Amino acid sequence: DAGVTQSPTHLIKTRGQQVTLRCSPKSGHDTVSWYQQALGQGPQFIFQYYEEEERQRGNFPDRFSGHQFPNYSSELNVNALLLGDSALYLCASGRGIETQYFGPGTRLLVL
Amino acid sequence: ILNVEQSPQSLHVQEGDSTNFTCSFPSSNFYALHWYRWETAKSPEALFVMTLNGDEKKKGRISATLNTKEGYSYLYIKGSQPEDSATYLCALILAAGNKLTFGGGTRVLVKP
Repeated sequence: DAGVTQSPTHLIKTRGQQVTLRCSPKSGHDTVSWYQQALGQGPQFIFQYYEEEERQRGNFPDRFSGHQFPNYSSELNVNALLLGDSALYLCASGRGIETQYFGPGTRLLVL
Repeated sequence: ILNVEQSPQSLHVQEGDSTNFTCSFPSSNFYALHWYRWETAKSPEALFVMTLNGDEKKKGRISATLNTKEGYSYLYIKGSQPEDSATYLCALILAAGNKLTFGGGTRVLVKP
């Protein structure tokens, strides 16, 4: 079992650009959540996908959008990048309140 | 806004010593509390899922307790080892399948 995988591992973009991050959940998991972790803070919830629909959303602007595919993998898209979007983006998969398993994250740097 | 607080923010521990730290959360609408260990350059690793008031969980030298009535959980490390150096995160769930709301973490450094 490969666990939760994310790609790419690192990414450098400039302000105003768009970025797509990808996540493959752990085998058997149907729920994918995305989190943003800024330096020195705990991860902040962006949104959660279940059965290809956004089930819940945190306090993030509409520039942050996502998608879940029939195979449960997911994408996080961020448009019109700002310097403040520089962070580690974590994907987690799970089922219900069971332990959520995290991927290694994608580190995004916006210049 | 849901506030999950962890204290202290960081902790230096001598190898062999025991230590503990706190996760505080609003006691209303509690559903579950997760503890994670996050080593540098790795994925956060799940330690415990705690759901019932009075829960005590143990994994090796690490244990945790839960008090949902007063809104706190303690994590204990017995006989700290250098490999215990990591950031320990707690995260609250308010309802089934809901999002994790994380605290800021406690960074533990165990010195040989």
